[in-house]
Amino acid sequence: GAGVSQSPSNKVTEKGKDVELRCDPISGHTALYWYRQSLGQGLEFLIYFQGNSAPDKSGLPSDRFSAERTGGSVSTLTIQRTQQEDSAVYLCASSLVGQGGNSPLHFGNGTRLTVT
Amino acid sequence: RKEVEQDPGPFNVPEGATVAFNCTYSNSASQSFFWYRQDCRKEPKLLMSVYSSGNEDGRFTAQLNRASQYISLLIRDSKLSDSATYLCVVRGGGFKTIFGAGTRLFVKA
Repeated sequence: GAGVSQSPSNKVTEKGKDVELRCDPISGHTALYWYRQSLGQGLEFLIYFQGNSAPDKSGLPSDRFSAERTGGSVSTLTIQRTQQEDSAVYLCASSLVGQGGNSPLHFGNGTRLTVT
Repeated sequence: RKEVEQDPGPFNVPEGATVAFNCTYSNSASQSFFWYRQDCRKEPKLLMSVYSSGNEDGRFTAQLNRASQYISLLIRDSKLSDSATYLCVVRGGGFKTIFGAGTRLFVKA
């Protein structure tokens, strides 16, 4: 079956512009996660959605970052007024819930964002 | 203190060697644990889940010590294809899932 799909795969934008990154999770996965990975660094947790519960936004680095998940499926991560330090790979993952919490995350290929 | 800590390495080992990676986590309420592998410029992929009693998958063995809040991964008979970054992953009670910064492994012929 289809895996996690992210678009675009690459995005180059000018400093100060807004960008939207899209994630389409695996069908039936109720948990959806966003992470950021800068070059040579680890994965930085940004936000996760679980069903209809309020999202855990504790990892969002500033109020320029926001995310939504419509209809419990597709998610959009929006970065307003982009800065050069926002340049990174943005990874989305989805997971089943309800298997004792032991369901692994399945990742998309990521969106490589470059802010010039 | 970071929520999940790993030795960044790199570990440089010859083919056939046994190598062990360690990971510690700070949240005693953490419930699920995983090891992921990430190749250069690729997304992370699940290597194995970590169960309380320890578990083995071929050349890979994972151990969990809840009392010490410590997870380990042992790779036996290392192959060139094992060269990658190994990520320790910890999930709390609310499904928030945190990744360690990773340990780099280079296996040389």
